[in-house]
Amino acid sequence: NAGVMQNPRHLVRRRGQEARLRCSPMKGHSHVYWYRQLPEEGLKFMVYLQKENIIDESGMPKERFSAEFPKEGPSILRIQQVVRGDSAAYFCASSRSPGQSFSGNTIYFGEGSWLTVV
Amino acid sequence: GQNIDQPTEMTATEGAIVQINCTYQTSGFNGLFWYQQHAGEAPTFLSYNVLDGLEEKGRFSSFLSRSKGYSYLLLKELQMKDSASYLCAASYNAGNMLTFGGGTRLMVKP
Repeated sequence: NAGVMQNPRHLVRRRGQEARLRCSPMKGHSHVYWYRQLPEEGLKFMVYLQKENIIDESGMPKERFSAEFPKEGPSILRIQQVVRGDSAAYFCASSRSPGQSFSGNTIYFGEGSWLTVV
Repeated sequence: GQNIDQPTEMTATEGAIVQINCTYQTSGFNGLFWYQQHAGEAPTFLSYNVLDGLEEKGRFSSFLSRSKGYSYLLLKELQMKDSASYLCAASYNAGNMLTFGGGTRLMVKP
């Protein structure tokens, strides 16, 4: 039973290039969340998606960042024109459903994608 | 905001017990998660509390008081491999977006 799958694990980009990070949720999970963790800092929520819908993007920077979760395929976090400050670990998490939470509604994290901008 | 507060660092001895506290804002609160994160790795789920009380799972237990906006993670019989950051995270309102504390870096010494 595969967990949350993220790729690539490590990505190096030059300033101004684009970065695309992919996330496939756990089997049976239809809700995907992206978090960013800057070096030596805590995780910060970026965006929450269901299939073909962005539910909450209150944590996304206003420019250069976008996310999607198409009907088929993984969720993608896209960062255009990367800058050095985008260097961070990007974690994807998934769950079954939100709302009133019960023990079965655990949120699991993927292994993360480490972006380095040089 | 929805500040989640937890100590930055703690040190404990192998074989001992350590309690990591976490406080959060109660307005709109749903539930409280604890994750373990080793350096350079993903957060690993430890526990989830939505009701008041203590949930025990092997060497790890987690406690929640909804009225006080307080939780703790209790680690017993500490092992060297327990040296890691422990992340307290709360979910609010109808969604499952998590608000994380800064993490508590636990160092277990022989």
